[in-house]
Formats: sequence, structure tokens, C-alpha cells
Amino acid sequence: QVQLVQSGAEVKKPGASVKVSCKASGYTFTSYGISWVRQAPGQGLEWMGWISAYNGNTNYAQKLQGRVTMTTDTSTSTAYMELRSLRSDDTAVYYCARAVAVAGAEADYWGQGTLVTVSS
Amino acid sequence: QSVLTQPPSASGTPGQRVTISCSGSSSNIGSNYVYWYQQLPGTAPKLLIYSNNQRPSGVPDRFSGSKSGTSASLAISGLRSEDEADYYCAAWDDSLSGVVFGGGTKLTVL
Repeated sequence: QVQLVQSGAEVKKPGASVKVSCKASGYTFTSYGISWVRQAPGQGLEWMGWISAYNGNTNYAQKLQGRVTMTTDTSTSTAYMELRSLRSDDTAVYYCARAVAVAGAEADYWGQGTLVTVSS
Repeated sequence: QSVLTQPPSASGTPGQRVTISCSGSSSNIGSNYVYWYQQLPGTAPKLLIYSNNQRPSGVPDRFSGSKSGTSASLAISGLRSEDEADYYCAAWDDSLSGVVFGGGTKLTVL
């Protein structure tokens, strides 16, 4: 069965960086992309970007350009999302999801979420 | 302010039919597929409807989606207590070159 298992909760200070991992299993990792979506406390969903697990191509949300980097390690079927220069409004639950296509909003399996708290 | 507009709340009694709307523009809903996600309290979102009106395996046929022009709707018939959740619409936006979500609709089963 398809599973996406994310790394544990993080607490970071403003200005620091965080790197969240997402280990995939149950499918051919390189046949899909991975989207990252975040949700601030009590708020809605925000798309952060997408990475192809096949060739590493990325597409980031304009709002996060320059602060976010998404990568994959095909040897371990793991995707990573690094967010730099953290601010308090980056406090959110971060989700990875299996993305069916590059220019599409379909994400058919989701990780359990990783809470990132940014606080001094 | 979300690019796609949803009502913040909706409600119904068990057995009723409720609909949730999602309004967008020509650059998103008007030219791309619409997706719906269900998020139960404290859990990750779950894909409910893809490609405007298709249900993934395991999603009951009580859930249906439709799209017309720059708007879409999610209908839930035979409402059940376990349908109480937040519902989000999503679509690709050609102008932003990214995915946009609605602000979410909290469904309460009375």
C-alpha cells in the first residue's frame, strides 16, 4: 500500500532553516512527483511547490521563491523540503503528497504532516 | 485571501443533501480540472474528487462533483455524522503557474 511517512515535529528560532523529510513506499517513486502543502494553525491549505521524483525538476510557489528548496533521494525514495529564513508565520503543519502530474492539483496520497513551530 | 472562493461554513441534518460551491476564474477553474479534498479533524487531507467529477476508489458515491464555467460544486447526499469535516477545492492556475486552494468550508452535521 502507498505510504508517505514524514519526519517529526521541529521547533526553530526565527531566521533558522528547517528540513522536512518524506519517505515513500508502496509504489515506484520515480513515476510520480511530490507536492508540498502547508497549513497554518486554524487556517486553510497552501501549496508550496512540486518536485519530479523522476528528474528533480521543481516548481515553487511564487511567494516562497528563494526561501524553499525541494529535493529527492531516489536511492531511499525520500523527498525533502527545506525552508530557510524562517519567520513566525511559517509556523504550520507541513504535508507531502504524491502528485500525479506537474501542472495539476491532484495529490492522491498524503503524509501524516510535520508540525514546524517558529518561535524565539 | 484565497484565489478560489468557498463559503466558510455549511450544515445539514443526517440524510440531507448539501452542496459546497467553489468560485474561481478563467485562469484556474475555467481552464483546468477541479479537485476536492476532505480533511477530518486532526488528520491529513484526503482526495475526494478528481478531474471535476471522478471519485477515487473507496470514496462513496454519496459524494459527487461538478463544474460549470469558472465555478465548481461538491454535493454530498445522504449526509452522515462522519462527513463532518473541512472541504477544500483546488485547481491549477495558469497565471500563477501553481496550485490554488479555496479557503475551505467547514461542514457541520446537525
